[in-house]
Amino acid sequence: GAGVSQSPSNKVTEKGKDVELRCDPISGHTALYWYRQSLGQGLEFLIYFQGNSAPDKSGLPSDRFSAERTGGSVSTLTIQRTQQEDSAVYLCASSLRLRDEQFFGPGTRLTVL
Amino acid sequence: KQEVTQIPAALSVPEGENLVLNCSFTDSAIYNLQWFRQDPGKGLTSLLLIQSSQREQTSGRLNASLDKSSGRSTLYIAASQPGDSATYLCAVRVPNDYKLSFGAGTTVTVRA
Repeated sequence: GAGVSQSPSNKVTEKGKDVELRCDPISGHTALYWYRQSLGQGLEFLIYFQGNSAPDKSGLPSDRFSAERTGGSVSTLTIQRTQQEDSAVYLCASSLRLRDEQFFGPGTRLTVL
Repeated sequence: KQEVTQIPAALSVPEGENLVLNCSFTDSAIYNLQWFRQDPGKGLTSLLLIQSSQREQTSGRLNASLDKSSGRSTLYIAASQPGDSATYLCAVRVPNDYKLSFGAGTTVTVRA
């Protein structure tokens, strides 16, 4: 399959631990996006990349969240010192170019105990 | 800030009935609008993308219309089937932004 893939599919961690979530976009897609879906908040945008650059990080909920993208491909979302309110499904999407149709991965379900 | 609303939150219909799902948005200056389907525990599947210059898009049994002036889009699903049971989300992008703003979704149950 040539879709967006994410790993792990599920992650259970203890409060205070760091976690890394990975996204592999569709090959050739230059734009990559991270969203978070939680019960009380719906789907909220976190950050986007054009190539390896993230011009606007204002959507990240706190400074415990960071993201990077290397080689114009794989992206990693890192959450430091996880809190229970970080529990959510983290979704990654990619598009051929910015403003094009976005295709989503299956998500990573994060549970912070 | 773009606000996206989907009404109703849930809908149950018998198999064979046509489905009408509504999406409204507060800022009519959109770049495009996308309809998604989400099955329980799964990611989002893109159904239709309507550019701001378009009035509708069709794919099989699905038809989506867009009325920018009134800030509305409607997704029609003809002759519903139990396999159409899912949550349907609409999302809007404004011209100078790259994120999608999502509605809360409409959860559809098609009864056999």
